[in-house]
Amino acid sequence: ETGVTQTPRHLVMGMTNKKSLKCEQHLGHNAMYWYKQSAKKPLELMFVYSLEERVENNSVPSRFSPECPNSSHLFLHLHTLQPEDSALYLCASSRLKGTPYEKLFFGSGTQLSVL
Amino acid sequence: GESVGLHLPTLSVQEGDNSIINCAYSNSASDYFIWYKQESGKGPQFIIDIRSNMDKRQGQRVTVLLNKTVKHLSLQIAATQPGDSAVYFCAESDTDKLIFGTGTRLQVFP
Repeated sequence: ETGVTQTPRHLVMGMTNKKSLKCEQHLGHNAMYWYKQSAKKPLELMFVYSLEERVENNSVPSRFSPECPNSSHLFLHLHTLQPEDSALYLCASSRLKGTPYEKLFFGSGTQLSVL
Repeated sequence: GESVGLHLPTLSVQEGDNSIINCAYSNSASDYFIWYKQESGKGPQFIIDIRSNMDKRQGQRVTVLLNKTVKHLSLQIAATQPGDSAVYFCAESDTDKLIFGTGTRLQVFP
């Protein structure tokens, strides 16, 4: 158990659906991240929140909308996704953002399939 | 730009043998490196890290070696066990952002 919990573990949605991914960390960390993991590709950083403020958005399409209501919770709202958005979505947390030598703690991910 | 790569996409080892997973990096300014393990159906799990002021660091059954001259990183697993079967990622950082490689799959057979 890494202290980072993601729900749901699996999600199948149509292109017209709206769904949300949830992440919760119990580590007392102040930074949270969304990553996309596709087959045979390196982890792609999507969004970073530090102290509940979005500090990084790596050119992610607007059909992905993050929300961080507090330092323990992170959401990724999904709407009108495309089949190529099918991937494993990983949430991670770290103590701080903007300092070196910070390791990330990952959740188990949500395996998303867009039909 | 920076790139992090792995020499072998799949490594097969016999149970009890030592495993060596290699990683090449291109950014000579990188000063922090991490190895993660990802088992099937799980997220990446931190194994061990090393800063550039060191060339070796040991953990429980694992050792990370850093050769800054040739920009090479390796993870050694002693007495490999079936539970070590997973994908292993290296990641590098020269600021506060980690850049991940694509991973090497380690298969352990009896």
